[in-house]
Amino acid sequence: DQQVKQNSPSLSVQEGRISILNCDYTNSMFDYFLWYKKYPAEGPTFLISISSIKDKNEDGRFTVFLNKSAKHLSLHIVPSQPGDSAVYFCAASATSGTYKYIFGTGTRLKVLA
Amino acid sequence: KAGVTQTPRYLIKTRGQQVTLSCSPISGHRSVSWYQQTPGQGLQFLFEYFSETQRNKGNFPGRFSGRQFSNSRSEMNVSTLELGDSALYLCASSFQGTDNEQFFGPGTRLTVL
Repeated sequence: DQQVKQNSPSLSVQEGRISILNCDYTNSMFDYFLWYKKYPAEGPTFLISISSIKDKNEDGRFTVFLNKSAKHLSLHIVPSQPGDSAVYFCAASATSGTYKYIFGTGTRLKVLA
Repeated sequence: KAGVTQTPRYLIKTRGQQVTLSCSPISGHRSVSWYQQTPGQGLQFLFEYFSETQRNKGNFPGRFSGRQFSNSRSEMNVSTLELGDSALYLCASSFQGTDNEQFFGPGTRLTVL
């Protein structure tokens, strides 16, 4: 049972436009969400996170939105740059529980120059 | 500060063999988690160690085991290798495990022939 789902395996966006990556979760115990970016031959690197007490967190070009009622989060990248081309993973954890991170299957973003 | 290091980076084994992978966390980090990444499956949680004790375990068979040493370095062992064990094995460290950012190593690419 995939508790964290990224239903789009890939996404292509023109440079300068907005990239929107989506993530859905099923476990209502999750209260902390993270996005990681992964380049080939490297480990994932932390990008941005959001606590369930918020519905938006912004860091430069990256904004994460959380809709708890829909159990949905999204990552917006504005403006998209070719260097943003990577695989993006969302992850969720229940911080009051087992400190275990559940990752989605990833979305490969390609930003076209 | 040096990042998370994993050795070896690449490994080729045959079915039935066993393998040991090593992870050195960031200095001062006491929590080490292991993940398996395969195409289409995302990052699947194997287990987490904190202060030499396994604190969390994912849904993997008993062939997958690990340990953590007093200096927080961790090893993961897979016995009786199967073709399906071919994957990228990632190690991530964090200060306590309860903090919400994990730092990943570059991974060990295991190929089982």
